[in-house]
Amino acid sequence: QLQLQESGPGLVKPSETLSLTCTVSGGSISTSPYYWAWIRQSPGKGLEWIGSFYYTGRFYYNPSLESRVTMSADTSKNRFFLQLTSVTAADTAVYFCARQRNGWEFDYWGQGTLVTVSS
Amino acid sequence: ETVLTQSPGTLSLSPGEGATLSCRASQSVSRSFLAWYQQRPGQAPRLLVYGASSRATGIPDRFSGSGSGTDFTLTISRLEPEDFAVYYCQQYGTSPLTFGPGTKVDIK
Repeated sequence: QLQLQESGPGLVKPSETLSLTCTVSGGSISTSPYYWAWIRQSPGKGLEWIGSFYYTGRFYYNPSLESRVTMSADTSKNRFFLQLTSVTAADTAVYFCARQRNGWEFDYWGQGTLVTVSS
Repeated sequence: ETVLTQSPGTLSLSPGEGATLSCRASQSVSRSFLAWYQQRPGQAPRLLVYGASSRATGIPDRFSGSGSGTDFTLTISRLEPEDFAVYYCQQYGTSPLTFGPGTKVDIK
């Protein structure tokens, strides 16, 4: 059974960089035709797609966040990462990692991790 | 960006009743690239329907999706206690992928 687990600091200071890791077990992130994604959920903005990547090195970001987002992956350890720079209180949210079929719908999700931006 | 609007915001029903949830897109969703998710409190969303009408693996047949273009519907034929949750639609026909604001189905 595929499982995804987010990890990272639960508290980030304003203007700093949010960094999260998604560890995947029960399947490889180097498997076609799956993409791997980050999604966040906040009371104010609901569910928001942050970005997706394919193991061959294609990355797609939400234009609203693209200037501050970097996704990367370590296929040898079956993990992928999110970095979001210059965070503000508006970036406070539950961050989910997810598997995405063909770059379309999200069929497996991690449990989510709450990240609070506060000094 | 394709904006999704869901109605109603809240649906108050009793177990055993049927539910009809609507999702309307600001522009036509290409190839019916629309999915529905269920989210229970404290949990991640769960994929119910993709391609507007295909049930995901393990989803009971009381859940059905329909629609095309800009208007989509999720129907729950007979509500079970575990179906009281929030439901989201999501389009993946155009980038950026977007989600609707959700419909909460609660117990009357």
